[in-house]
Parts: sequence; structure tokens; C-alpha cells
Amino acid sequence: QKEVEQDPGPLSVPEGAIVSLNCTYSNSAFQYFMWYRQYSRKGPELLMYTYSSGNKEDGRFTAQVDKSSKYISLFIRDSQPSDSATYLCAMSLYSSASKIIFGSGTRLSIRP
Amino acid sequence: GAVVSQHPSRVICKSGTSVKIECRSLDFQATTMFWYRQFPKQSLMLMATSNEGSKATYEQGVEKDKFLINHASLTLSTLTVTSAHPEDSSFYICSANWDREQFFGPGTRLTVL
Repeated sequence: QKEVEQDPGPLSVPEGAIVSLNCTYSNSAFQYFMWYRQYSRKGPELLMYTYSSGNKEDGRFTAQVDKSSKYISLFIRDSQPSDSATYLCAMSLYSSASKIIFGSGTRLSIRP
Repeated sequence: GAVVSQHPSRVICKSGTSVKIECRSLDFQATTMFWYRQFPKQSLMLMATSNEGSKATYEQGVEKDKFLINHASLTLSTLTVTSAHPEDSSFYICSANWDREQFFGPGTRLTVL
């Protein structure tokens, strides 16, 4: 069993839709949860960073962490074609500056 | 700020040759850098943690004699793939720590013929 499971997609939605991306994990010791966006042939860039359980909102993006279920989500409201990318969930025991375990990534396409 | 560069962006080499990939933090100093490998449609897998002035720490299953890492300064880490084979073809990405966050480079695509 992988430490972090993520549906690879691809996921295609119309512009303006709400997108829900999810990951599950097995190691209950993870404390830091991140979402990265990766465009084709580029390095990932940090979108959201959450410590422990709870919600965090940043503009059109909302990250949720449910440690009791070992389940994290990223919601994108009013999705735009420019949001088309691969979204990677990631988690760490100590911080985003230490060893990070990535999910396999979900390819998202927003149709104009 | 917090920009990480990699050179080259892509490289093609013959089987059996060695390839060096550079990772630089352009506007900050990084005592710790990480090297990842990403196969097509797969996730980033951590290969090793590179600390300035000391030996790298390799993840289980990564051959340290094949993937040589040198972190000689606070702004530069290098990954040398020795005696490369086609199965080493992959996307290699580095990251550098700054202000409790990892900043990723744009990646290097290695193709071994």
C-alpha cells in the first residue's frame, strides 16, 4: 500500500465549475499537508499548506484536512482554463522543509 | 525571491556515459537541498537529501555510487548520474529549503539512449 493515494485522473470540467481533488494516506504521524501545482515539464509550486486538521482558504482555493479519516481535499472554485495542470498532494512529518511524500498527482483540465 | 534553477533543462546521452545536473538557489542560501526523480505520470520520489558540507543521505533503494551528490556551497548542489542506462531516463527535480519551505527547480529531463 502506498503511503499516499491520489486518483490520477484525468479530470475534465467546464470553466466555472467547482473542482474537488482528494488524497488519502496511511501514516497517521503526518502533520503537514500540502498541495502543489505542476505544469507540464516544470517543477511543482506550492499552492496551499496546512498544519494538522482543519480548513484553510486562499482566494479560490480551499484545503481541508481530516486527520481522523486520513483524508485531505483541495477545492477550486470558479475554475479557470489557467488552472489546468497536475495537482499533487503532499505530506510531511515535520514541516514542508523536510522530507515530503507526494501523491501521484491528478491531471486536471478546465474546458473553456 | 526563492528561485531555484537547474541546468541543463534537458540532456540526451549515450548509455554508459555520466551526466551532471546542477541545482542552484539564485537569491538565497540553502543548507539543505533535495533531489527527486519523476517518471511519466508518476509522482516525485525523493532520492536523497543534500546538506552543504556533508555527505548526502540517500533514500532506501537509491544507489549512492550511481547517483553522486555534491553540495559544495550554499547555493549549488550537483547530481551526477554515473554510467547512465536507459532505465535512468527520467525527470530529475531538485528543491532547496528557505524559510521553512521547499522551493523546486524546473527539472531536468534526462534521456539515455
